[in-house]
Amino acid sequence: ETGVTQTPRHLVMGMTNKKSLKCEQHLGHNAMYWYKQSAKKPLELMFVYSLEERVENNSVPSRFSPECPNSSHLFLHLHTLQPEDSALYLCASSQDGRAEWENTEAFFGQGTRLTVV
Amino acid sequence: DQQVKQNSPSLSVQEGRISILNCDYTNSMFDYFLWYKKYPAEGPTFLISISSIKDKNEDGRFTVFLNKSAKHLSLHIVPSQPGDSAVYFCAASAGDSNYQLIWGAGTKLIIKP
Repeated sequence: ETGVTQTPRHLVMGMTNKKSLKCEQHLGHNAMYWYKQSAKKPLELMFVYSLEERVENNSVPSRFSPECPNSSHLFLHLHTLQPEDSALYLCASSQDGRAEWENTEAFFGQGTRLTVV
Repeated sequence: DQQVKQNSPSLSVQEGRISILNCDYTNSMFDYFLWYKKYPAEGPTFLISISSIKDKNEDGRFTVFLNKSAKHLSLHIVPSQPGDSAVYFCAASAGDSNYQLIWGAGTKLIIKP
């Protein structure tokens, strides 16, 4: 399998549940990202891992907990979420540290559509 | 305060005509700009990019124009095809790291037959 794969594609969870989103990349990249996409809003960067170390946490509530066990896998652990957390959660990967003018971009998974009830 | 703005939430264009998607930015430190395309139920896919040393980059039917003085870029698609119907995101980067990408809210492009 190639590219960035996310599972599950759809998830419905109650506010007291604990669930995890999984992301796997087969591109040999060394940076992975979690984004949140809400309707009619810009993509919101949540977490960045570079070389398996968390390098950015954009003021994300603690009910979201990322984990990066190796450079190919990224998890987002969810617990006690709120209905406003319902959104599309996208994972992406890239080769960190672009050279000057190098054409680099992030490759995205298909996302997990999360509904909190 | 949004640093990258796509002021048109949607755009409808006749098949075969030119589609022009616009993006404005406020941060003069941005030096690299990207366009992504997103179909429903899929993640965004990279379309085309431009660095600030250029004012135009062309790839097949897609051309991106950058006007640094106006802090404005646009994506031209010509001729527009039904498969181009999607949401288009503009993103900007400052510095050497990809995780500085700042995204616009997207413009939904509808190509009419």
